[in-house]
Amino acid sequence: NAGVTQTPKFQVLKTGQSMTLQCAQDMNHEYMSWYRQDPGMGLRLIHYSVGAGITDQGEVPNGYNVSRSTTEDFPLRLLSAAPSQTSVYFCASSYGAGTGASKQYFGPGTRLTVT
Amino acid sequence: GQQVMQIPQYQHVQEGEDFTTYCNSSTTLSNIQWYKQRPGGHPVFLIQLVKSGEVKKQKRLTFQFGEAKKNSSLHITATQTTDVGTYFCAGPQGAQKLVFGQGTRLTINP
Repeated sequence: NAGVTQTPKFQVLKTGQSMTLQCAQDMNHEYMSWYRQDPGMGLRLIHYSVGAGITDQGEVPNGYNVSRSTTEDFPLRLLSAAPSQTSVYFCASSYGAGTGASKQYFGPGTRLTVT
Repeated sequence: GQQVMQIPQYQHVQEGEDFTTYCNSSTTLSNIQWYKQRPGGHPVFLIQLVKSGEVKKQKRLTFQFGEAKKNSSLHITATQTTDVGTYFCAGPQGAQKLVFGQGTRLTINP
């Protein structure tokens, strides 16, 4: 099993550009999520999905879109990049979260810089 | 929404000293998880606690869940350089979200 994979590993964007961060998992997990990590802020939830076709917002969803057309893939789209979106982005998957939480498997992360 | 607060933010110790990080919630948690992130790496699951007053050990790591299920701690006995990293607690927010504390960054002087 590859686990959770993310591409690209690094990305530099100019303000206003759009891009998609890719995330895929091969563990047949229903639950997938995106977090951003900034110094001193921990991991903040952007969006999550409890299954194909179902997505919802986390703590910091503004400026990001997601979709979940398959169980395996959960891409994160930056609509119009801003310097405030400079961060490290982690995708995670599991059998569940919240009150039914289970072990979260994290991808290696994407380090994004917006200039 | 419910927040999980973690202290301290940073901790520097001499190798061999003990280390503790604390996690507090304003509301009762159904469960709490702990993760470790090595420098430049991604968070890796350590453990999940679900019972009031639960204590679990993994070698030199001891995890506790408070009696009221509002706080938790991670204690490392006799730190080693391999313990360097950031330790996060995470708790549920509602039925479907997992929120993380700010993390405690542990550095060790060999």
